[in-house]
Amino acid sequence: DAKTTQPNSMESNEEEPVHLPCNHSTISGTDYIHWYRQLPSQGPEYVIHGLTSNVNNRMASLAIAEDRKSSTLILHRATLRDAAVYYCILRDAGTGANNLFFGTGTRLTVIP
Amino acid sequence: GAGVSQTPSNKVTEKGKYVELRCDPISGHTALYWYRQSLGQGLEFLIYFQGNSAPDKSGLPSDRFSAERTGGSVSTLTIQRTQQEDSAVYLCASSPGQGDQFFGPGTRLTVL
Repeated sequence: DAKTTQPNSMESNEEEPVHLPCNHSTISGTDYIHWYRQLPSQGPEYVIHGLTSNVNNRMASLAIAEDRKSSTLILHRATLRDAAVYYCILRDAGTGANNLFFGTGTRLTVIP
Repeated sequence: GAGVSQTPSNKVTEKGKYVELRCDPISGHTALYWYRQSLGQGLEFLIYFQGNSAPDKSGLPSDRFSAERTGGSVSTLTIQRTQQEDSAVYLCASSPGQGDQFFGPGTRLTVL
């Protein structure tokens, strides 16, 4: 399975944008890039996903590099409720892989 | 609508005992997943059910672990002869086919 690399932790000031990077240099052509986040004492929740083009939804934006070997999750205005562990995950739509490989993610701290 | 629910929320047991964890997926979701998360770690895939197909048990750590899904809905994860290293949060997720996964709040298992 193609794996991802993320920084262990990041900090952001409240109300400022946050850019969470993810490297996936071994990504295959059929891998979708998914982002989940896990708030304290809760199960993970879906944030966003994409294949090649940048994606926007009400929670965040996903910027995907042209060679697809990296991506960035963008929170446009961090709030205290965004403090969580953010996981970048590849899912192979070609093989219909069933489980998601969650690494250790990036722990985001939001400073008031 | 109702999300994924898991019971119990907390379970404390003694080494060597049998435990049963329950997951109620979102109605209509055909796929169901079990993961576990040790303290400070990412999620570890355990088992996956999809419709009437044979489950993917590739993540079960030992033969002490088993799971079943009755009637394509509720699932139970059972652990026999529990060990202290089984202590973790056990997370269940469901999805509509191979779509994004919706997680329950988890069951925190503590083996003394």
